[in-house]
Amino acid sequence: GQNIDQPTEMTATEGAIVQINCTYQTSGFNGLFWYQQHAGEAPTFLSYNVLDGLEEKGRFSSFLSRSKGYSYLLLKELQMKDSASYLCAVRDSNYQLIWGAGTKLIIKP
Amino acid sequence: GAGVSQSPSNKVTEKGKDVELRCDPISGHTALYWYRQSLGQGLEFLIYFQGNSAPDKSGLPSDRFSAERTGGSVSTLTIQRTQQEDSAVYLCASSLDLLGPLNTGELFFGEGSRLTVL
Repeated sequence: GQNIDQPTEMTATEGAIVQINCTYQTSGFNGLFWYQQHAGEAPTFLSYNVLDGLEEKGRFSSFLSRSKGYSYLLLKELQMKDSASYLCAVRDSNYQLIWGAGTKLIIKP
Repeated sequence: GAGVSQSPSNKVTEKGKDVELRCDPISGHTALYWYRQSLGQGLEFLIYFQGNSAPDKSGLPSDRFSAERTGGSVSTLTIQRTQQEDSAVYLCASSLDLLGPLNTGELFFGEGSRLTVL
């Protein structure tokens, strides 16, 4: 079967750095997405990786290793507004999206 | 509109009633997805429409659930004889679904329809 694994919950301190990991086993690979979802709101797109390496976008970076079936989302200079769930999703060989259950990130002052 | 629009935003119904949820995708987006999300849970895939192709209905949980997309635009998700376990937020998303160096095929989500079955 296909599955995406990510930690259920993480806690970090305002101003610090946090890394949210995602490992996947899918039938093929055609890209990996990270989405942010605040409580009670719809998910919004954060990043996309299709090649190995690091993609940086402001305070957020996403890394991919296809050989290891592994990605992480790195959040720097954490702000209280970063408290949200972070969803990892992989597009498989049929171009279907397989979603992780999400990581709830709690930021403490 | 500029984004994906869903209605109603909230729906409370009695067990056994039928409900219809509507999604108006971003203009020009050929792909449309329906997901279900229970409180604190991840996204559960329901159905996927791509252009004029036959929809992928593999995620529909039972034959009480159906969806259609008319004219390649607006979609309606219908739940017949609702049960309490159908209570969830139903999210619709659309995408260009044209893969290439300039398009990731990212999904744009609506705000969701929160369904409560009493």
